[in-house]
Amino acid sequence: DSGVTQTPKHLITATGQRVTLRCSPRSGDLSVYWYQQSLDQGLQFLIQYYNGEERAKGNILERFSAQQFPDLHSELNLSSLELGDSALYFCASSEPGGRYTGELFFGEGSRLTVL
Amino acid sequence: EDKVVQSPLSLVVHEGDTVTLNCSYEVTNFRSLLWYKQEKKAPTFLFMLTSSGIEKKSGRLSSILDKKELFSILNITATQTGDSAIYLCAPGDSSYKLIFGSGTRLLVRP
Repeated sequence: DSGVTQTPKHLITATGQRVTLRCSPRSGDLSVYWYQQSLDQGLQFLIQYYNGEERAKGNILERFSAQQFPDLHSELNLSSLELGDSALYFCASSEPGGRYTGELFFGEGSRLTVL
Repeated sequence: EDKVVQSPLSLVVHEGDTVTLNCSYEVTNFRSLLWYKQEKKAPTFLFMLTSSGIEKKSGRLSSILDKKELFSILNITATQTGDSAIYLCAPGDSSYKLIFGSGTRLLVRP
């Protein structure tokens, strides 16, 4: 158990809908990262937050948005869903107390299926 | 644009064999390189490498980084069926994010 909690574990929805994925980082970690893993593909970096502020952005679609709240949990919002958005979405956290260790700790992922 | 290439894409070996997994990268403001193992769900951490030429070992696994040639290798000796997984190479940049390769899928047959 990495200490990173993601909900929901599974989600099935229809095209055009909007969903919110939630992540609670490890206690004390200030950075939260979101990754997307489609079938048989590597992890694609979406976005990173550090202590509530956006720090880095990857190939995140305009239909997707994220935020990190004062209690450090994060949410990834996916809207106008398309079939191609079906994937496993991982959240990871790092930097306990702002100290860089390099290692990311991953949650178990949220599997999104768009029908 | 940052790039990570892992090879081979997949590998099938028998228990007891030794395997070498390769990772080449081009990352702006490189900071470190990490290896992860992914079985069913969440990737789990194996190694973090920051210096060239210094081998890191953990049991039957070892890894080394060459910052001049921009590559890393992960060796697994005396493979076991429990080593079957996807192995992910992930260089990190100065913003601390990790850029993952597509992985090497290893299958170890009894």
